[in-house]
Amino acid sequence: NAGVTQTPKFRILKIGQSMTLQCTQDMNHNYMYWYRQDPGMGLKLIYYSVGAGITDKGEVPNGYNVSRSTTEDFPLRLELAAPSQTSVYFCASRSPSGYEQYFGPGTRLTVT
Amino acid sequence: AQSVSQHNHHVILSEAASLELGCNYSYGGTVNLFWYVQYPGQHLQLLLKYFSGDPLVKGIKGFEAEFIKSKFSFNLRKPSVQWSDTAEYFCAVNSPSGGYNKLIFGAGTRLAVHP
Repeated sequence: NAGVTQTPKFRILKIGQSMTLQCTQDMNHNYMYWYRQDPGMGLKLIYYSVGAGITDKGEVPNGYNVSRSTTEDFPLRLELAAPSQTSVYFCASRSPSGYEQYFGPGTRLTVT
Repeated sequence: AQSVSQHNHHVILSEAASLELGCNYSYGGTVNLFWYVQYPGQHLQLLLKYFSGDPLVKGIKGFEAEFIKSKFSFNLRKPSVQWSDTAEYFCAVNSPSGGYNKLIFGAGTRLAVHP
């Protein structure tokens, strides 16, 4: 099993550009999550999904959108990139019967 | 709202020293508690977890943590650290509110171990 995979690993965007961060898991987990990690701030939940077609906001959803059309994929969309979105983004998943989350390797995004 | 406090942001130790990282959470009900570790350039990995039962839990690589309900604490310990323990450590908590979906993280403790 590859676990949770994310692409790209790094990306530089200009202000106002848009992009999609990809996340895929092969563990057949229903639950998937997007976090951002800023220095000295820990991880903050952006959006999460409890299954295909169902998404909900986390602590810091502004400026982001998500969709969940399959169990495996949970892409995160930035429509109008802003410098405040410079961060490291982590995707995670878990099974309904377990409480622990499994994390992907992250995407480091810089907006200039 | 739930929150998690990690009191030490940076810790520097010599090899073989003992380690204790503090973690306190604010939530009065049932909680699940976690310690994650992030080695340089890597993603978060689960170090140990507490759901119920024995409040002293053992994790990977010789780490352990003790859940003290009366103090709302879940401190991480290791008797003798190694250089390879250099990493950032995150305490996290979730609860039935939100269906265990909202994992709240502390700000992290950056540990540097010198040979």
